[in-house]
Amino acid sequence: EIVLTQSPPTLSVSPGERATLSCRASQSIDSNLAWYQQKAGQAPRLLMYGASTRATGIPARFSGSGSGTEFTLTISSLQSEDFALYYCQQYNNWLSFGGGTKVEIK
Amino acid sequence: QVQLQESGPGLVKPLEMLSLTCSVSRGFITSGNYVWSWIRQHPGKGLEWIGYIYHSGTTSYNAPFKRRVMISVDTSKNQFSLKLSSVTAADTAVYFCARESSPGAGYFDTWGQGLLVTVSS
Repeated sequence: EIVLTQSPPTLSVSPGERATLSCRASQSIDSNLAWYQQKAGQAPRLLMYGASTRATGIPARFSGSGSGTEFTLTISSLQSEDFALYYCQQYNNWLSFGGGTKVEIK
Repeated sequence: QVQLQESGPGLVKPLEMLSLTCSVSRGFITSGNYVWSWIRQHPGKGLEWIGYIYHSGTTSYNAPFKRRVMISVDTSKNQFSLKLSSVTAADTAVYFCARESSPGAGYFDTWGQGLLVTVSS
């Protein structure tokens, strides 16, 4: 089983600032990583796949990078609607999700 | 765009069977070789993949669930279902059904709204 570890668990950021979220895989997953955003009471929303490709309709302030075992999701200038939970998911070997990072208002 | 909707009892007694259905609308479950998945989320916790099915009936399950899970598909009703046996309080969660973005993609862009299932006597 591939374990994904997200850090930090909580990220406190001021609106307009940059947020950098990390996802580490227990073994190489190439670029087979997706990112999701989830708000309270809602289903996850696909943000990114292939580690760095934005899903349809996702603003350019979201970017992803990494391959192998280390991945990053960057939100360049946080908007009010970006404060949410973020999960990474690998699909290289079966499917698994990270534990999540909560982005909260500082 | 395809829409998904979970249905089933919101309360299940311990050691009984949890049975949920995901109804597919605005599209057909037989259109394309998509993976149709069940994913759950414990209250305040992360996401956990349970398993998936193709419209052909081929399934794959996450190891922790293999002994007590069954996912099936009913193409005539355009829906797929989850059965989880011998439930305990640890199975209390929001259960989502989801479809991958494109056949073979492995990631999900279409989700149901989720259904909270509580296991309690």
